[in-house]
Amino acid sequence: DAGVIQSPRHEVTEMGQEVTLRCKPISGHNSLFWYRQTMMRGLELLIYFNNNVPIDDSGMPEDRFSAKMPNASFSTLKIQPSEPRDSAVYFCASGQTGSSGDTQYFGPGTRLTVL
Amino acid sequence: DAKTTQPNSMESNEEEPVHLPCNHSTISGTDYIHWYRQLPSQGPEYVIHGLTSNVNNRMASLAIAEDRKSSTLILHRATLRDAAVYYCILRAFSGNTPLVFGKGTRLSVIA
Repeated sequence: DAGVIQSPRHEVTEMGQEVTLRCKPISGHNSLFWYRQTMMRGLELLIYFNNNVPIDDSGMPEDRFSAKMPNASFSTLKIQPSEPRDSAVYFCASGQTGSSGDTQYFGPGTRLTVL
Repeated sequence: DAKTTQPNSMESNEEEPVHLPCNHSTISGTDYIHWYRQLPSQGPEYVIHGLTSNVNNRMASLAIAEDRKSSTLILHRATLRDAAVYYCILRAFSGNTPLVFGKGTRLSVIA
């Protein structure tokens, strides 16, 4: 398996623009997580899905952020409009409930810069 | 999730063993102890986990205190590729729930 795939790997955009981050989880996994990493706040959960259903979105900063998982093999995280404080590395992770230790497998991340 | 305490940073010589400590005095009886690490410019990766007994895998060993209030991740022979931030995380056994990351320990390996 290719692992968790995220695109784009890098995104530079201007304030006010819409940004869409994409994630393809590992085939067969039924849980998907979006995390954000900044120097100030470290790694923090934004939202997670089980069986394509959002379970907890309390980490989503505000209404500018939205996430979807239309099927088991694809998820998006959208920021509209983007702001400079959204600059961070965004990680997607997937896992299979009941597998060894409920391990999560992380993608390489998308580095977002909002000017 | 219960809180964990780790040193901010540690340093090791290459090919020497490394013991990374983690305190979790408020751990509950059903909490598993997980370790993840994050190599530079990469996403976190799973290292090892355990409940009560010591655990070994190809990457590391996990030694858990008898009272479970602390644990130690052991890298038997540190290599330059082991330089990373190591996170100790407690998780209740209730499905694949989110990971709650602290600040972790930044391990530097000296050649």
